[in-house]
Amino acid sequence: GAVVSQHPSWVICKSGTSVKIECRSLDFQATTMFWYRQFPKQSLMLMATSNEGSKATYEQGVEKDKFLINHASLTLSTLTVTSAHPEDSSFYICSARPPEATYNEQFFGPGTRLTVL
Amino acid sequence: QKEVEQNSGPLSVPEGAIASLNCTYSDRGSQSFFWYRQYSGKSPELIMSIYSNGDKEDGRFTAQLNKASQYVSLLIRDSQPSDSATYLCADNTGFQKLVFGTGTRLLVSP
Repeated sequence: GAVVSQHPSWVICKSGTSVKIECRSLDFQATTMFWYRQFPKQSLMLMATSNEGSKATYEQGVEKDKFLINHASLTLSTLTVTSAHPEDSSFYICSARPPEATYNEQFFGPGTRLTVL
Repeated sequence: QKEVEQNSGPLSVPEGAIASLNCTYSDRGSQSFFWYRQYSGKSPELIMSIYSNGDKEDGRFTAQLNKASQYVSLLIRDSQPSDSATYLCADNTGFQKLVFGTGTRLLVSP
């Protein structure tokens, strides 16, 4: 159980374009999902908490108008990187918490590697 | 600002040895912690959780928590080359968020 998928696994785009990344919980419903970004040789940085049916909560310093999050169903959250630039190139990973998780155990998707040319 | 500190390593151990990975945290009120393993180019995988002072064992892995010293550790017995990865310690802050350390890179040599 507790399987999280992401799509696509990698994407290359031109500067100025927008990219949408999907995160799905496959065998459980997740009212809350999390989006992280990881630059090479650095740890995970939480970008935002995605809440089903309501607005996402963004971490300090993360531009909400640039990183659009939609959590329209209990199994799907999307992250759209708008007007992507080379500095947005990173490894984007989502996680979700199963309902039975007593202590906020989070399970991660396989990640999406974004390269902006 | 809650912080989690880890030595970046690499920690090198021979196959079959015990690998000891350590983590300290800043928030005295933190109650639970997780250890994640991350292979190069992959996403983190949950391997252990610990909520109470003392030891918790799961197979070759033992997590240790000392709240008085604000210290969490992970012991890997009979280390295998396949254990070579970066190990991330995470503080469950109590606000749904996890705060991660920078990770310790473990290298197990055959």
